[in-house]
Amino acid sequence: GAVVSQHPSRVICKSGTSVKIECRSLDFQATTMFWYRQFPKQSLMLMATSNEGSKATYEQGVEKDKFLINHASLTLSTLTVTSAHPEDSSFYICSAMGGGIQYFGAGTRLSVL
Amino acid sequence: KNQVEQSPQSLIILEGKNCTLQCNYTVSPFSNLRWYKQDTGRGPVSLTIMTFSENTKSNGRYTATLDADTKQSSLHITASQLSDSASYICVVSASSNDYKLSFGAGTTVTVRA
Repeated sequence: GAVVSQHPSRVICKSGTSVKIECRSLDFQATTMFWYRQFPKQSLMLMATSNEGSKATYEQGVEKDKFLINHASLTLSTLTVTSAHPEDSSFYICSAMGGGIQYFGAGTRLSVL
Repeated sequence: KNQVEQSPQSLIILEGKNCTLQCNYTVSPFSNLRWYKQDTGRGPVSLTIMTFSENTKSNGRYTATLDADTKQSSLHITASQLSDSASYICVVSASSNDYKLSFGAGTTVTVRA
């Protein structure tokens, strides 16, 4: 089956630093990738839709300057949390569209001190 | 208002026992419904995908049912194992190309020896 790799799996950083999370489709090309955020005991919340070669589409309430998304190739999308603060601590999950189905990465646990 | 409601929110069962999780949805139009298993700190892993015309689908000890008329689905776990302890998420797709997914909040299953 389709494999989506997300890296890093866990990151701890100081407040004010920027953190980059990578999402790769390993065995298929994905023109569209998605970034989600998940709080404890809650469902996944879509943050943005990333399209290769174009600007990402952000959901209402998501700051595009805070969460920078780059989809530079058909197998890689990155999410950069800029000037991270403790309230940005969360579980971030990416997915990649392959054959009309979203395949999910393993997630990244971000902890901002 | 969440268009996908799951119940119960959590449950505890003894190893070897069976359990059934419920999912009600109001998403329209409807393309497909899938059940995911999400281990703590990991991304969702697909268990079953069902389209409008499918009433039941099995994946090992997991059996999902779908009643598209009443907009209800269930996931039955047979002969539970400790490794079944996880969150089970019901996800409904409104389009055939998976661009818009509606997530339930999940049911947390704890299997005890």
